[in-house]
Amino acid sequence: AIQMTQSPSSLSASVGDRVTITCRASQGIRNDLDWYQQKPGKAPKLLIYAASSLQSGVPSRFSGSESGTDFTLTISSLQPEDFATYYCLQNYNWPWTFGQGTKVEIK
Amino acid sequence: QVQLVESGGGLVKPGGSLRLSCAASGFTFSDYYMSWIRQAPGKGLEWVSYISRSGFTIYYADSVKGRFTISRDNAKNSLYLQMNSLRAEDTAVYYCAEAAAEWGQGTLVTVSS
Repeated sequence: AIQMTQSPSSLSASVGDRVTITCRASQGIRNDLDWYQQKPGKAPKLLIYAASSLQSGVPSRFSGSESGTDFTLTISSLQPEDFATYYCLQNYNWPWTFGQGTKVEIK
Repeated sequence: QVQLVESGGGLVKPGGSLRLSCAASGFTFSDYYMSWIRQAPGKGLEWVSYISRSGFTIYYADSVKGRFTISRDNAKNSLYLQMNSLRAEDTAVYYCAEAAAEWGQGTLVTVSS
């Protein structure tokens, strides 16, 4: 199975900060990588699909990029509602696998 | 709007069975692949099973292969997960998802004696 190594596992940031979260795939996965946001007690919400495409209705401060097997989620200016846990998902081949998650907390 | 409503969760003893259901509305159910994903308490996400639009292609995580069965009824806009030989490690919130984009609110399965 493809391993997705997500970092950091947690971070503290302030409103207005630029935040970057990375996932590294254990092998090539083309651009078959999604990013999700999950708030406590809620289902995950799709933010980015195909590595860099913004899901409809998601604010433009969220963006995704790729470089080989490294994938990055960037929040350009952190807002209060962005404090949550973020997961990457590779859907290149089965079994689809998630990163371990990054909890974004208030500094 | 897309709505996915899971049901069927609950408390079951190890070795027992449960059948989860997911009622879909707000989209053409037969046009989308569907999945079950789970999250153990305080843990990350695990993709459990996938079923294609027609039901012809099915995948399972190794952790549930041979014990869980995914199915769908396109006429009833419904997705199912039959879970047999349940173990303590199957305790989780189970989500159904439409094409990985829209998720239900989840149903809690607790396996405990």
